[in-house]
Amino acid sequence: EVQLLESGGGLVQPGGSLRLSCVASGFPFSSYSMNWVRQAQGKVLQWVSGIGDTGNSKHYTDSVRGRFTVSRDNSRATLYLQMNSLRVDDTAVYFCVRAGSGFYEYWGPGTLVTVSS
Amino acid sequence: EIVMTQSPVTLSVSPGERATLSCRASQSVSKNLAWYKQRPGQAPSLLIFGASTRATGIPARFSGGGSGTEFTLTISSLESEDFAVYYCQQYNNWPRTFGQGTKVEMK
Repeated sequence: EVQLLESGGGLVQPGGSLRLSCVASGFPFSSYSMNWVRQAQGKVLQWVSGIGDTGNSKHYTDSVRGRFTVSRDNSRATLYLQMNSLRVDDTAVYFCVRAGSGFYEYWGPGTLVTVSS
Repeated sequence: EIVMTQSPVTLSVSPGERATLSCRASQSVSKNLAWYKQRPGQAPSLLIFGASTRATGIPARFSGGGSGTEFTLTISSLESEDFAVYYCQQYNNWPRTFGQGTKVEMK
């Protein structure tokens, strides 16, 4: 059974940093692209970042480029999202997602990031 | 970026009735279109990819169609667990983008 479990969310002040982690199990992690998708309360889904299976290919949505860094450790089956210079509008539930050929096959339950003073 | 527009915003349907949801892309996405279902407090789950291919375990009452810029998701006979928010997503271009969602509520 495919399982994805995010951690690392919490309350942080504007300008602060957080690192999200996602531990994967039930599939060959190193064979799949992985992504982060976020959803602010009552808002639509927004793709944030994606990383290829080897980690060599990375993509970011414009609003986080230069502030967020996606990475992965295939030996630990873990995906990361380092979030720096956090802003109030980064407040959202962040989902770890396994990608198919561009679509999102499996989702973790999400971790809440709240940016507030 | 490609803008995905869903209609209607809310659809009121009785159990057992048919529901048809629409999704329009601001430019062609070929058949690179997926549909997701999200219930309150839960993560989204994949229903359809490739515009019309059901994901593993998805019942046959869900069907998708369309190509280019116009797409539909049809639920042939609504069951209680189908009342939820449905999102379309294009994966033809970066960034991947989602529609704003259609809420299917019980009439």
